[in-house]
Parts: sequence; structure tokens; C-alpha cells
Amino acid sequence: AQSVAQPEDQVNVAEGNPLTVKCTYSVSGNPYLFWYVQYPNRGLQFLLKYITGDNLVKGSYGFEAEFNKSQTSFHLKKPSALVSDSALYFCAVRAVPNDYKLSFGAGTTVTVRA
Amino acid sequence: EAGVTQSPTHLIKTRGQQATLRCSPISGHTSVYWYQQALGLGLQFLLWYDEGEERNRGNFPPRFSGRQFPNYSSELNVNALELEDSALYLCASSSGLAGFYEQYFGPGTRLTVT
Repeated sequence: AQSVAQPEDQVNVAEGNPLTVKCTYSVSGNPYLFWYVQYPNRGLQFLLKYITGDNLVKGSYGFEAEFNKSQTSFHLKKPSALVSDSALYFCAVRAVPNDYKLSFGAGTTVTVRA
Repeated sequence: EAGVTQSPTHLIKTRGQQATLRCSPISGHTSVYWYQQALGLGLQFLLWYDEGEERNRGNFPPRFSGRQFPNYSSELNVNALELEDSALYLCASSSGLAGFYEQYFGPGTRLTVT
């Protein structure tokens, strides 16, 4: 079975400060890891993914994530947060090679204050 | 390139009725996934269709069903609606069977059961 944990329900940061959203995962085998963002009354938007290779992955809107196999983590980061980054963030995992559905974490609400 | 589209945006039904939700994937995408986002329950995988076949289903009762048409669009049917079926239903598509393909989500259909 595969699962994702996002230990923080909410993250609050000031605009211009670094933003980190935490994610840990549990799978048997090698994971494919994804981050999505959801704005109010909208669907999910793909931010970035880790498949293989470099542990630091860069994605859309200045976001990046670091894959750490020993800690089974895939934290999302942004060096300088914007008010417009305020949204609900989801980490998701897919266990390779046969399980094509995504298992999502519960989500983390990010609020960036001006 | 047009994204994933879903219709209707909102759907209000009475307990015991049937609901039909529709999804059109991104052009060229053959896989369609359905997810339920219910308050307090997070994102739950419902169904996966590829090349017209149901490939996998989540832990939902048989009254949740669907199909994929030759043009790869998909329909989700929910029979004998219950109050707890009220949720945002998200459709996603991806371009292949390989697990590293990210899923792109539509804006969702908000189903309200009264």
C-alpha cells in the first residue's frame, strides 16, 4: 500500500520569506512523487514531479522540491513566497510500476501575508 | 491546447436519484481518472479508464460506475445518491500508461445531494 503524510494542516509565512511545505511518503519500491496546488473552487494544477535522477526538482512558479530517499520525504520549497501563493497544496505518490492511481496527502493550506 | 473540461459545473440532486458527470480529456490523452474530494476526507481515487476499459477502481461501492467513449471522453454515474456523496468530483487525464506521466485535472463538478 502507498500513502502520503502532510504533517502540517496550515503554513503561514510573510511575503518574501522562504516557504516550505512538508511531505513524507510510504511505498514499497521506488516512488513517483508529485506536487499539486489547488486554488479556491478550482481543480488541481500540476507543479512538479520526481521520477528519477537529481534529487532537487524544479517546477512551475518558482517552486522546487527535494527528494530524500533515506527520510522518505519530498518537501516543497519556494525561496521567496508571494501573496498569490496562498492556496491548498497536495503531495501525491504513485508506486511503480503497476499502480497508476495517485494517492494524495490530506493537503496543506498555505497563507502568505503581505 | 485546451485543458481537461468537465460538465456540469454544479449539480444538485435529491437523495435516491442518479447523477451523471462528464469529462473530456486533453487531446491526445488516452487515460482518464476520476477522484472524489469530499469535505474532511481529502482526495480519494474512484476510477481509471484507458482505451475504453476500466483499469482500476478505488474503494467505492458499485453504485459508482462509469465508462470511456471511443473519443476518450468519460462519464461518471452515481446511482441511488446518498447525502455523503456530496463532494467535488475531479477528472484527470494523462498521456500514457507509464507511471511517470503526470495527471492534469479539470475544474471539477460540485455535486450536492439534498
